[in-house]
Amino acid sequence: KAGVTQTPRYLIKTRGQQVTLSCSPISGHRSVSWYQQTPGQGLQFLFEYFSETQRNKGNFPGRFSGRQFSNSRSEMNVSTLELGDSALYLCASRVAGVRDTQYFGPGTRLTVL
Amino acid sequence: TQLLEQSPQFLSIQEGENLTVYCNSSSVFSSLQWYRQEPGEGPVLLVTVVTGGEVKKLKRLTFQFGDARKDSSLHITAAQPGDTGLYLCAGSGAGSYQLTFGKGTKLSVIP
Repeated sequence: KAGVTQTPRYLIKTRGQQVTLSCSPISGHRSVSWYQQTPGQGLQFLFEYFSETQRNKGNFPGRFSGRQFSNSRSEMNVSTLELGDSALYLCASRVAGVRDTQYFGPGTRLTVL
Repeated sequence: TQLLEQSPQFLSIQEGENLTVYCNSSSVFSSLQWYRQEPGEGPVLLVTVVTGGEVKKLKRLTFQFGDARKDSSLHITAAQPGDTGLYLCAGSGAGSYQLTFGKGTKLSVIP
């Protein structure tokens, strides 16, 4: 079974631009979560989607948004990029429930210049 | 807000040595997970502990969940270069889908 895939793997943007990252979960997984990883703050939860609905949201500004499609694929969007948004963005999928294991993708490395 | 403190932040040891990594919180977690992350990759789940006092072994790795479910430790026996990586603990509250991560322990095992 294929793992979680994220595209693109690397991205360079400039301040003020917007960016869209994509995540394809493991087949059969209906829950997708997004995390931001930086050296200073570590891994921080952004949001989780289940069956096209946002089920949980972390403490990030409204510039960070996401959505999930009927095939469970998910996208996250960051508008008006800031230098501090440079990070590794990780996507994780699980079947559905709280006790189901989350499987992480390799991440998208975003650099904002 | 639930927080997880990991220590030490960095650890550099010789092959064959033993080590322990700690994960502490003032909050109670319904479950706690340990992950290992290698450069350029996402975290990979090593173990989940759910019962206070639980001990799980995975080859040379021993994981323990504190009796009060507020802390956990990871002990590696006879470390090998292949153990090198970033070790992360993550906890979730009862019924919560959100994982809270510690900042990680970067382990280097020198041959």
